Amino acid sequence: DIQMTQSPSSLSASVGDRVTITCRASQGLRIDLAWYQQMPGKAPKRLIYAASTLQSGVPLRFSGSGSGTEFTLTISSLQPEDFATYYCLQYNSYPLTFGGGTKVETK
Amino acid sequence: QLVQSGAEVKKPGASVTVSCKASGYTFTAYYIHWVRQAPGQGLEWMGWINPDSGATNYAQKFQGRVTMTRDTSIRTAYMDLSSLRFDDTAVYYCGRGQKSFDPWGQGTLVTVSS
Repeated sequence: DIQMTQSPSSLSASVGDRVTITCRASQGLRIDLAWYQQMPGKAPKRLIYAASTLQSGVPLRFSGSGSGTEFTLTISSLQPEDFATYYCLQYNSYPLTFGGGTKVETK
Repeated sequence: QLVQSGAEVKKPGASVTVSCKASGYTFTAYYIHWVRQAPGQGLEWMGWINPDSGATNYAQKFQGRVTMTRDTSIRTAYMDLSSLRFDDTAVYYCGRGQKSFDPWGQGTLVTVSS
């Protein structure tokens, strides 16, 4: 199975901050990686797929980059509605596997 | 849109069926994936079903205990999990997609309790 190591597991930030979350894969994924945002008590929502393609309707402050084994989700200017938990998902090979999550909290 | 069935409480050793009703798109055009999330924990992929052919792909961890089916006449996918254990307590989600998936259903809480 491909292991997805997501870091940090949590971070504290303020509105307006630039936030970066990283996922490292135990083997190469090409660009078969998605990012999800999960609000408490809600289903995850896809933000990015194919490593850097923004899901329709997702604000432009979200961006994704990377290929192979290292991927990054960046929020350019954190907004109040962005405080949530973020997960990466690799879909290069089965079983699909998620990163452990990053909880973005208010500083 | 995907709408899931309501919460369930089951005893250890029992089985549970969670349904996922699709609307607003061609049901047979996209796989339905199932993912679960234990309380306070991360996300775990369980498998998918191709609603067109009925073909399935299960995570090894759930092989032998999970069965995914669909009824195309009512645009609904089902996930059956048998031999329930306490650590199967989780929110179970369905999601639409061929590789990654979106949107997701609202989730179904399955509680395993004696």
